[in-house]
Amino acid sequence: AQSVAQPEDQVNVAEGNPLTVKCTYSVSGNPYLFWYVQYPNRGLQFLLKYITGDNLVKGSYGFEAEFNKSQTSFHLKKPSALVSDSALYFCAVRDSGNTPLVFGKGTRLSVIA
Amino acid sequence: EPEVTQTPSHQVTQMGQEVILRCVPISNHLYFYWYRQILGQKVEFLVSFYNNEISEKSEIFDDQFSVERPDGSNFTLKIRSTKLEDSAMYFCASSDLGATTYEQYFGPGTRLTVT
Repeated sequence: AQSVAQPEDQVNVAEGNPLTVKCTYSVSGNPYLFWYVQYPNRGLQFLLKYITGDNLVKGSYGFEAEFNKSQTSFHLKKPSALVSDSALYFCAVRDSGNTPLVFGKGTRLSVIA
Repeated sequence: EPEVTQTPSHQVTQMGQEVILRCVPISNHLYFYWYRQILGQKVEFLVSFYNNEISEKSEIFDDQFSVERPDGSNFTLKIRSTKLEDSAMYFCASSDLGATTYEQYFGPGTRLTVT
């Protein structure tokens, strides 16, 4: 069975500094990995995905994530954080094209001006 | 840009009542999903639907739940007799069968409050 771990409940970073939100996964086959962001009282917005190919994937709003197969990780990164990036971030995994997503518990990112 | 829509945004109901949550998936998508998020907890899968039938469901999706695609656009989740623990945000999602598109697009959610 698939699982996702987001080890940090909260990440605090100063505006302009780089940010990293951590995610590790467990899946039986090839992983399909996703990051979603949730702003207050809003739904889940897709940020980026890794399906195959280049281990560094770029997504919306300047975010990127690096797939590391040996460490089974898919950490979300951004070179320079903005206050508007403050939100709840979810990592998710599935093991094939249209199977359900399995989500991590989420990491709250707080960017301080 | 096409998006998934959900109605209502907030539903308050009494325990034991039936509720129907409505979703309009993106028009060319063929897979549909319901997830829920209890306050402060992670998003959990309920059910997936393809070709007018359930393709997968979780253990949360018991006999009190049902899904339907009554016409070409709507996708509904019915809870027959609501319980206090059904209080949650319910998200609808859809995806297509394209070989290069695997992400699920989520609606804004319906907050269900059972009193």
